[in-house]
Amino acid sequence: AQSVTQPDIHITVSEGASLELRCNYSYGATPYLFWYVQSPGQGLQLLLKYFSGDTLVQGIKGFEAEFKRSQSSFNLRKPSVHWSDAAEYFCAVGPFYGQNFVFGPGTRLSVLP
Amino acid sequence: EPEVTQTPSHQVTQMGQEVILRCVPISNHLYFYWYRQILGQKVEFLVSFYNNEISEKSEIFDDQFSVERPDGSNFTLKIRSTKLEDSAMYFCASRDFSGAGADTQYFGPGTRLTVL
Repeated sequence: AQSVTQPDIHITVSEGASLELRCNYSYGATPYLFWYVQSPGQGLQLLLKYFSGDTLVQGIKGFEAEFKRSQSSFNLRKPSVHWSDAAEYFCAVGPFYGQNFVFGPGTRLSVLP
Repeated sequence: EPEVTQTPSHQVTQMGQEVILRCVPISNHLYFYWYRQILGQKVEFLVSFYNNEISEKSEIFDDQFSVERPDGSNFTLKIRSTKLEDSAMYFCASRDFSGAGADTQYFGPGTRLTVL
């Protein structure tokens, strides 16, 4: 069965510092991979996605993620965090056509001024 | 930019009552989903819907739950007899069938259900 792990439950960084949020998946083939962000009390906003091709994908708000097949990972990065990035971040795996998407448990990001 | 909308944003109900959560997916999308997120926990899949029928459902989606697309634009989730543990945020999502966004789910803002 598919599964997604996000090893870090909570990360705190200072504003302006770099950020890396980890995501590992378990799936028989290379899945479609997504990162969503959820601000407090809000819905899920798509940050970026990987389907195929270049393993480094760019997303909105200055985020990027790198797919590493050998490590079954899809880590999210940002070179300089802004206070408005404080939110919950979810990694998700999406098999094809009609099947459900599986979410990781989420990583809560706090940003210190 | 088209978006998924959900109503109401917050629903409070008494245990045992029926609730209907409403969603308007993006207009040309053909796959529809419901997820829930219990406070502080991860997003969990409930059900997917395509071509006017359920295509997949999780073990959470028991006989108390049902989905419907009553009029070609709305997509509803009904909980027949709510339990305290149904209190959660419920997210609707939709997905296109083809094109650049075919494998991306777009989520609504959610409905917070509180069962008293």
